[in-house]
Amino acid sequence: DAGITQSPRYKITETGRQVTLMCHQTWSHSYMFWYRQDLGHGLRLIYYSAAADITDKGEVPDGYVVSRSKTENFPLTLESATRSQTSVYFCASGDREKDGYTFGSGTRLTVV
Amino acid sequence: QKEVEQDPGPLSVPEGAIVSLNCTYSNSAFQYFMWYRQYSRKGPELLMYTYSSGNKEDGRFTAQVDKSSKYISLFIRDSQPSDSATYLCAMSAVAAGNKLTFGGGTRVLVKP
Repeated sequence: DAGITQSPRYKITETGRQVTLMCHQTWSHSYMFWYRQDLGHGLRLIYYSAAADITDKGEVPDGYVVSRSKTENFPLTLESATRSQTSVYFCASGDREKDGYTFGSGTRLTVV
Repeated sequence: QKEVEQDPGPLSVPEGAIVSLNCTYSNSAFQYFMWYRQYSRKGPELLMYTYSSGNKEDGRFTAQVDKSSKYISLFIRDSQPSDSATYLCAMSAVAAGNKLTFGGGTRVLVKP
């Protein structure tokens, strides 16, 4: 099916554990993004990628790692999860702002 | 101070009324302006896109950009209960690498 999918939809993990959130898109969009959404802060950019093997930091990159070895995949890894990383994480993809970026349905992560 | 400010609401209106939403921003380099709509537990979806200053109309939606005042607006005419959602403004600069900066979102409730 065409689209952008995130997995898992829900995740509970313990402080200090490594966790990876997956994002897969089927359109071969150039750009992919990871945002986190928190009450009072809206959507904040964590990392983005302009193409395979090209990634760059966003507004809140600390504690996160990304990779993009294939155009369609853009996983986000929390190296050592902290409670402050409890959030809803959205992946998005697109080619140009004017066409809009397509967002996934989100991963709700709770760090206990 | 955040780069993009948006009143969180909630904004409650009766069905058929005009919904008026706005954002202010501080970065004069922003040239692309967008409005996204987000339903509960879903990812945002693009509603309107405007480049630089001016107005744009699409059905019941009108977007306005006033770059001299660093102020953008979205109007929804003949509002419907299905318009109940959170509306996020987003903007980007030419040199920003297609990165979007979002406002915090305004929650809108249209009552039947």
